[in-house]
Amino acid sequence: TQLLEQSPQFLSIQEGENLTVYCNSSSVFSSLQWYRQEPGEGPVLLVTVVTGGEVKKLKRLTFQFGDARKDSSLHITAAQPGDTGLYLCANPNTGNQFYFGTGTSLTVIP
Amino acid sequence: DTGVSQNPRHKITKRGQNVTFRCDPISEHNRLYWYRQTLGQGPEFLTYFQNEAQLEKSRLLSDRFSAERPKGSFSTLEIQRTEQGDSAMYLCASSWSVRTAGELFFGEGSRLTVL
Repeated sequence: TQLLEQSPQFLSIQEGENLTVYCNSSSVFSSLQWYRQEPGEGPVLLVTVVTGGEVKKLKRLTFQFGDARKDSSLHITAAQPGDTGLYLCANPNTGNQFYFGTGTSLTVIP
Repeated sequence: DTGVSQNPRHKITKRGQNVTFRCDPISEHNRLYWYRQTLGQGPEFLTYFQNEAQLEKSRLLSDRFSAERPKGSFSTLEIQRTEQGDSAMYLCASSWSVRTAGELFFGEGSRLTVL
């Protein structure tokens, strides 16, 4: 089992604040994905990062893949209540298994 | 296409009973995954099918758990002699050939409560 550790596990912030969540592993990945899961729903893909050092932006979300391809971060600017959810990183390149991280539960307070 | 469908959405059962969950994946998807998820945690991999073949099963998975995908379309996950520790959300996901960073499409899950 390849462990994907996410931090922090829980995060509660006020609307308008910025935040960063992290995904770390001891293994090198050929690619990494970020998903968001809203309460009562299944996870939904946000982005896939492939190249070491790659930065992708999705509106107020900025995703970065570490240079060594062992870690990734997600930065949210000016968080809104609609950003509330469970953020999951995932490694889609583990053969027949598809591992998810431990998750970061974000609550944005209006 | 209505996406991945799971039923029932909620199941309450008494300890020792058997339960079965069904997943209907997106029709053209050949890969199907089952996960278990507890509140605030990431999904835990249970098993994987490519078409009708079960190619991977988590070593953490008890013998009480069995999954099938008889015709390479829908899948069922059965839990026999349920225990309180089986209470969780059971998620199904499908994809088309995850050879190179493919996307998983999830259903809304089946929540199991074992009393």
